[in-house]
Amino acid sequence: EAQVTQNPRYLITVTGKKLTVTCSQNMNHEYMSWYRQDPGLGLRQIYYSMNVEVTDKGDVPEGYKVSRKEKRNFPLILESPSPNQTSLYFCASSLSTAGIYNEQFFGPGTRLTVL
Amino acid sequence: GENVEQHPSTLSVQEGDSAVIKCTYSDSASNYFPWYKQELGKRPQLIIDIRSNVGEKKDQRIAVTLNKTAKHFSLHITETQPEDSAVYFCAPSSGTYKYIFGTGTRLKVLA
Repeated sequence: EAQVTQNPRYLITVTGKKLTVTCSQNMNHEYMSWYRQDPGLGLRQIYYSMNVEVTDKGDVPEGYKVSRKEKRNFPLILESPSPNQTSLYFCASSLSTAGIYNEQFFGPGTRLTVL
Repeated sequence: GENVEQHPSTLSVQEGDSAVIKCTYSDSASNYFPWYKQELGKRPQLIIDIRSNVGEKKDQRIAVTLNKTAKHFSLHITETQPEDSAVYFCAPSSGTYKYIFGTGTRLKVLA
């Protein structure tokens, strides 16, 4: 089954404790992206990756890191989480290439609470 | 940067009526115009999209219309049903890999 998976689905942590949210897709998509969703603010892009080893900042990259060592995986790293990073996080992937856009497929979401 | 606005932010309609949601964008280079639906507790999913060389696209009860001159596109849902209740997002895209989503429209279909 074609899908995007994320782990964990729920996470409660404390300020400053490094964490990683994993994202994996089995559709051989080149484009992958991370979003955070907060009430009233819609989906805001954190980082995206156009291909292996190619990443760039979205609108809200502060406090986050990503890596794209393999085509299927795109982990989101919070080196020192803070309470303002409490949010619902979605990973997405797409066939999109330069100038040609296609549907983004979203993972199930990760609800993160930072105390 | 790109500015994307959706209106209205909430919309209540009677079952069977039509609903229209409008998305206004600022980047004249935008060339891809999708609408996503997010049901409560679920992930966003694409319901319809249109490219800049097409003015209108229809898929059963949903349609999208594009006005590039005025820089807006709209989602039309006819004969609304309770399962149409959800939050809808637009995400116009231009020649970069960045995606800017609207802040969403909460649609409630009243039985």
